[in-house]
Amino acid sequence: GAGVSQSPSNKVTEKGKDVELRCDPISGHTALYWYRQRLGQGLEFLIYFQGNSAPDKSGLPSDRFSAERTGESVSTLTIQRTQQEDSAVYLCASSSGFRGHEQFFGPGTRLTVL
Amino acid sequence: AQSVTQLGSHVSVSEGALVLLRCNYSSSVPPYLFWYVQYPNQGLQLLLKYTSAATLVKGINGFEAEFKKSETSFHLTKPSAHMSDAAEYFCAVSDKHDDMRFGAGTRLTVKP
Repeated sequence: GAGVSQSPSNKVTEKGKDVELRCDPISGHTALYWYRQRLGQGLEFLIYFQGNSAPDKSGLPSDRFSAERTGESVSTLTIQRTQQEDSAVYLCASSSGFRGHEQFFGPGTRLTVL
Repeated sequence: AQSVTQLGSHVSVSEGALVLLRCNYSSSVPPYLFWYVQYPNQGLQLLLKYTSAATLVKGINGFEAEFKKSETSFHLTKPSAHMSDAAEYFCAVSDKHDDMRFGAGTRLTVKP
């Protein structure tokens, strides 16, 4: 595709529900990244994929968070038993996977947990 | 491990004044360094990057940054601020792996 796309653009859910966020990277990009951006704050690294494997899961805040990637393409970030502190914009980015190549960001999914 | 520190979460300048946004990095190997900008209600986009070529890097919209190894810095500057420069700016570092770590961001306000 022309750019990184994410869906849904907005998600409102009730505390305790599970949510699934989707990211479609730029075609051919082997590296894919998830970040969280709380209101008025910086980017918090969550997880990074190279192909379908995740060499670095160190940023996942708790075991309620998980992510997978299939076919070296689409990735899904799942948050189980959502809490109010999970409310944030979740950003996805992709890159060619070579060091020094920029990351291209999607528009984000705004998650609100009531 | 690689990391980035951005000094000053908020910077305010007058229109036409010099913009200076500070970034210091930590890396075990020669780093690649980036500045991204996030305009209100928009996604992040690349401003400029350093990849071990010239130490003074020019980016879009008149911004530039200088890599100073001795100071482990990569400060972003623009000689004359414009109202349209108001945004959040993020410094990022990539070392021996192909991942990237971002600073906490600096919000730039431009006063008329």
